Amino acid sequence: DTEVTQTPKHLVMGMTNKKSLKCEQHMGHRAMYWYKQKAKKPPELMFVYSYEKLSINESVPSRFSPECPNSSLLNLHLHALQPEDSALYLCASRVEAARNTIYFGEGSWLTVV
Amino acid sequence: DQQVKQNSPSLSVQEGRISILNCDYTNSMFDYFLWYKKYPAEGPTFLISISSIKDKNEDGRFTVFLNKSAKHLSLHIVPSQPGDSAVYFCAASAGGFKTIFGAGTRLFVKA
Repeated sequence: DTEVTQTPKHLVMGMTNKKSLKCEQHMGHRAMYWYKQKAKKPPELMFVYSYEKLSINESVPSRFSPECPNSSLLNLHLHALQPEDSALYLCASRVEAARNTIYFGEGSWLTVV
Repeated sequence: DQQVKQNSPSLSVQEGRISILNCDYTNSMFDYFLWYKKYPAEGPTFLISISSIKDKNEDGRFTVFLNKSAKHLSLHIVPSQPGDSAVYFCAASAGGFKTIFGAGTRLFVKA
């Protein structure tokens, strides 16, 4: 079972709203990721958590705030987003950094209006 | 700086024939390579991987070939099926957290 579950699948939010994207995996993976993907572009790394600690922040604006409450959950808190932040947000996980296959969820489509 | 390049944005193949998707990389530290398939409105699905200690890995209809001296890998799909129509991403990592993706190649398999 290589399932990563993301909610919601679709989200429309205004530029003054606060919302959150959620991700869950029960595979015992200790590394969890947020990627952003725009149309006709490759997934672009945003954040990596390893053993529930933030390991990589790819210079993401502070209007995106990740949180890893436990080893199975990963959140992405959104506040004061811009229309150009509209994209597919992908959560992914892998066993640990040394094991290199990452498994993606189906993504959350975000539209900022 | 694109470390992983997929120079063909699209590829069209007849059903039953071979599909060959190509990928080039520049970072000699990459030691693990992956292929993902993506349908519209879905997340990428892992297809097949290869370690730098191998030059070929096969899984059913999918075979990945790695040429380290040329820094080139390819994905062969034989026989191609209409359901294989999707965007294929090549990815590479150097043992750490980061996995770098190519821009993708859209495969059309015609019935």
